[in-house]
Amino acid sequence: EVQLVESGGGLVQPGGSLRLSCGVSGFPFSSYEMSWVRQTPGKGLEWVSYISDGGFGTYYADSVKGRFTISRDNAKNSLYLQMNSLRDEDTAVYYCARVVIVATSSVFYDYFDYWGQGTLVTVSS
Amino acid sequence: SYELTQDPSVSVALGQTVRITCQGDSLRRYYASWYKQKPGQAPVLVIYGKDNRPSGIPDRLSGSSSGNTASLTITGAQAEDEADYYCHSRDSSGEHLVFGGGTKLTVL
Repeated sequence: EVQLVESGGGLVQPGGSLRLSCGVSGFPFSSYEMSWVRQTPGKGLEWVSYISDGGFGTYYADSVKGRFTISRDNAKNSLYLQMNSLRDEDTAVYYCARVVIVATSSVFYDYFDYWGQGTLVTVSS
Repeated sequence: SYELTQDPSVSVALGQTVRITCQGDSLRRYYASWYKQKPGQAPVLVIYGKDNRPSGIPDRLSGSSSGNTASLTITGAQAEDEADYYCHSRDSSGEHLVFGGGTKLTVL
């Protein structure tokens, strides 16, 4: 059974830092790209960051670029999100999600097939 | 701001058919995927690619695409279909992943 379990959320002051973790099981972690997606309470989903299966390719939403760092430890089946210089608007539930990429000569798309239950990050003084 | 546009809310009578749409230039290049989310729960993948359903998703949900618009159709809506639905694809550059703003589906 595929499982993704986030941890590390909590209350932090503006300007502070927090490190989220996502432990996974039930599939070969090192073979899949992964992402973080967040959701402000009562609002929609926002993609935050993406990391390639080997960890060498990383991408970020403009809203977090330069402040957040995504990483992974394939030996520990774990995904991380280091969040620095946190702002009020970073308050959200953060989900980790497995990414599947389909790329052929004629078509390209990706999707998130498994999600964790999320961890709440609250940025407030 | 979103590069994928969805209607904020849609309603459907029990047993009727409803179409939820997602518009964006990038959809001319990339297929969308669709996610269902109930309050307090994580999103669940319901449609991906041209028209594929993960195991366990009922076949009354289907996907289609034309030009810059992707659609999620629910044929014979049930009470349990009431939820928020989000589309996802890449942005125009292809480097960023993006979600639509979401559509709240009410089953009357």
